[in-house]
Amino acid sequence: DAGVTQSPTHLIKTRGQHVTLRCSPISGHKSVSWYQQVLGQGPQFIFQYYEKEERGRGNFPDRFSARQFPNYSSELNVNALLLGDSALYLCASSLVQGAAGELFFGEGSRLTVL
Amino acid sequence: GDSVTQMEGPVTLSEEAFLTINCTYTATGYPSLFWYVQYPGEGLQLLLKATKADDKGSNKGFEATYRKETTSFHLEKGSVQVSDSAVYFCALKEIQGAQKLVFGQGTRLTINP
Repeated sequence: DAGVTQSPTHLIKTRGQHVTLRCSPISGHKSVSWYQQVLGQGPQFIFQYYEKEERGRGNFPDRFSARQFPNYSSELNVNALLLGDSALYLCASSLVQGAAGELFFGEGSRLTVL
Repeated sequence: GDSVTQMEGPVTLSEEAFLTINCTYTATGYPSLFWYVQYPGEGLQLLLKATKADDKGSNKGFEATYRKETTSFHLEKGSVQVSDSAVYFCALKEIQGAQKLVFGQGTRLTINP
């Protein structure tokens, strides 16, 4: 079975632009989470969606938004890009909601903002 | 808020050496604790976990014990291999609320032959 897949794998944008990152969870997984990993740091939680509803949001500005589709895939959108948004964006999926659900991570989308 | 503090890196060892990577946490509740590993160019992989005090997680020769009294979850391996070279992240997840992992800053491990 395929793991968590993310696209694109790499992209370059300029300040002020908008970006959309996509994530397909493992088949049957209904929970998708997004994390930002700045170089040299641990991942930071951005959003969690379960059954197409937002279940949690990290400490990120309103420029960051996400949604989950009926097939449980997800998009992360970032508006008005800043240099500091340059990072690896990781998507994780889980079979169940709550602490019991193990998270499986994709390989990430590396965003460079110039 | 919840936080995880890891041993500063990078850590360089020779093959077959003993490994310890320290991890301590601060949490309001009773979290589950995890170690994730990130190999170059790859995403995060779960290495091991423990869900309650005194639990020992183990996998691929790595072990960590959930110590509530010292709020620690140190990673150990008795004999490391070159293939263990990677970045290791300690993380916690609260039982209540969103399915949110709180990560430490990561420790880069390099094993020399």
